[in-house]
Amino acid sequence: AQSVTQLDSHVSVSEGTPVLLRCNYSSSYSPSLFWYVQHPNKGLQLLLKYTSAATLVKGINGFEAEFKKSETSFHLTKPSAHMSDAAEYFCVVSGGNRDDKIIFGKGTRLHILP
Amino acid sequence: NAGVTQTPKFQVLKTGQSMTLQCAQDMNHEYMSWYRQDPGMGLRLIHYSVGAGITDQGEVPNGYNVSRSTTEDFPLRLLSAAPSQTSVYFCASSPRRGLTYEQYFGPGTRLTVT
Repeated sequence: AQSVTQLDSHVSVSEGTPVLLRCNYSSSYSPSLFWYVQHPNKGLQLLLKYTSAATLVKGINGFEAEFKKSETSFHLTKPSAHMSDAAEYFCVVSGGNRDDKIIFGKGTRLHILP
Repeated sequence: NAGVTQTPKFQVLKTGQSMTLQCAQDMNHEYMSWYRQDPGMGLRLIHYSVGAGITDQGEVPNGYNVSRSTTEDFPLRLLSAAPSQTSVYFCASSPRRGLTYEQYFGPGTRLTVT
């Protein structure tokens, strides 16, 4: 069975400092991995996705994530946080097994301190 | 191109009432799904459809029905509302079922059952 764990439910960083949101996954097969962002009272929007091409994936708004198979991780990073990055972020794994399930992590809420 | 639309945005029901949450997409996507979002739980799949006339159950289907008579529309019916169904409901679509495709989310329906 596949699963996804977001290691922090809340992360606080100061504006202008780096962001790291951690995601670990479990999958028996080669997964596809996604990060979505949800701003308050909005739907989810795709930030980036990994589908077995380059292991370093660049997304929108300066975010990127690196797929590390040996560590079963897909952490999301950004060099310099902006106030508009305050939102909830979801790591998603799919396609990793024959059941074709899409599994959402429980989310990490990112707070940006002025 | 409106993407994925959901109505209503907010709804309050009494226990035992029934209602239908509407979802429509204008991108000619084959795959559509319904999720519920509860605090600290991430998104959980209720039902999904891989094309007109085909639906299947997700992780938490009890108390909900769906149908897919057209490619565009995928309504979710609550048969007899219960307080446990208080949640935010999201409809999503993607071009087809292949799990490397990103999902496009609607803005959500906030449902309260008293």
